[in-house]
Amino acid sequence: NAGVTQTPKFQVLKTGQSMTLQCAQDMNHEYMSWYRQDPGMGLRLIHYSVGAGITDQGEVPNGYNVSRSTTEDFPLRLLSAAPSQTSVYFCASSTGTVNQPQHFGDGTRLSIL
Amino acid sequence: AQKVTQAQTEISVVEKEDVTLDCVYETRDTTYYLFWYKQPPSGELVFLIRRNSFDEQNEISGRYSWNFQKSTSSFNFTITASQVVDSAVYFCALPYNTDKLIFGTGTRLQVFP
Repeated sequence: NAGVTQTPKFQVLKTGQSMTLQCAQDMNHEYMSWYRQDPGMGLRLIHYSVGAGITDQGEVPNGYNVSRSTTEDFPLRLLSAAPSQTSVYFCASSTGTVNQPQHFGDGTRLSIL
Repeated sequence: AQKVTQAQTEISVVEKEDVTLDCVYETRDTTYYLFWYKQPPSGELVFLIRRNSFDEQNEISGRYSWNFQKSTSSFNFTITASQVVDSAVYFCALPYNTDKLIFGTGTRLQVFP
């Protein structure tokens, strides 16, 4: 079982560049989400989706965009990268809602210069 | 408001010591779940336990135990006879609105041989 797969694992961008972090799960999970992890701040929810075609904002959505065209994929787009978006990004999925244990990807370490 | 507080930023112990990681939460919900996740030095996030607010019985799994007390809004995690492999960051988490998950800022546990 692949579980939750995130690509790339590492990325360096210049300020103003755009990019897409990929997230795919093979468990047929309805719920998917993106978090960013910064030192001393734990994990903060960026966007989430309760099913294909449905997305919503979390705690820190500014500067990010998402879509959910299929159950399997939930890409996160940085529209115009800023140094404040330097972070480790985690994608997670679960059956049903957040009341179920979350399955996390291995993370993407993103640096914005 | 929903909130999770892990006041202990970092704890250091020597192998075989017992250690307790504190988690205090705030919620307006009458029924809810609470979670603990582990993040070892390799970086992935691993689910440890989920508890329902209906059930205040302590949970034990090997050297790990969890004490849930609604009266003090706490869900503490104890490792008995700690080992070097327990070194990790541990996160407490609380779902809210059925579609969002809020994490504490985490406690870094270092177990020295």
